[in-house]
Amino acid sequence: EAGVTQFPSHSVIEKGQTVTLRCDPISGHDNLYWYRRVMGKEIKFLLHFVKESKQDESGMPNNRFLAERTGGTYSTLKVQPAELEDSGVYFCASSQFRANEKLFFGSGTQLSVL
Amino acid sequence: RKEVEQDPGPFNVPEGATVAFNCTYSNSASQSFFWYRQDCRKEPKLLMSVYSSGNEDGRFTAQLNRASQYISLLIRDSKLSDSATYLCVVNQGGNQFYFGTGTSLTVIP
Repeated sequence: EAGVTQFPSHSVIEKGQTVTLRCDPISGHDNLYWYRRVMGKEIKFLLHFVKESKQDESGMPNNRFLAERTGGTYSTLKVQPAELEDSGVYFCASSQFRANEKLFFGSGTQLSVL
Repeated sequence: RKEVEQDPGPFNVPEGATVAFNCTYSNSASQSFFWYRQDCRKEPKLLMSVYSSGNEDGRFTAQLNRASQYISLLIRDSKLSDSATYLCVVNQGGNQFYFGTGTSLTVIP
C-alpha cells in the first residue's frame, strides 16, 4: 500500500514568490492534515480536511496560506506571497476514519524562503 | 504554557541500556496519546499508542498517568537502531494533535 506522498521534497524560493505544496494521502483516508515544523519548534497543526471539506483551519498562520482538497483526494497548500518566517518543514498526514486515530505522515516538504 | 512538554535531551546511552522518556500534557481532557519516532530528515512514524492500562510492544513500554498528566516511554535493551527523536503526541478528542518538541536519543556502541 502506498503511503502519504508529498511533492516537492524541497523548495527554495525568494521572499514574495508563490509556492504550492502537494499531498497525496493514503487511498481511502478521509482525514487529511497539514502540519508545519519551524526550526527548533514543535510540529504544529495547520488544518484538517474531512474529504473535501475544511473541518478546522484554526492553525493557518494568516491569509497568505490557502489549502484546497478538490474532490477529496489530494490536497494543495499554497503560500502567496511567501515570507521568511514561512520557512520550515511542511508535513501532510492522513487517517482513515475517526479524526483522533493515529496519523500516517508524508516525508514532508522542506521550504526555504530566502 | 505548551500543550505538550518533553525533555529535549539529548539522551546518550550505551547499547543494552534502559532509557525512559517522560512527557507532560496540559489539558486534563486529553483523550488519545501516542509516541511517534522520527529519524533524521524523515517523517514521524507511529511507534505506539498509549493506553490507560499501559501497554508493551517488545522492548518498548508506554504508560499513562492521568492524575499527573504524564506519559512515559521505556526502552529496554537499547539498540543502535533505536537512535532517533521520540515525539509525544496528544489528542484532545477533536481533530488537533499536539506534539512535543521531541526527545533525542543516541545509542552508543
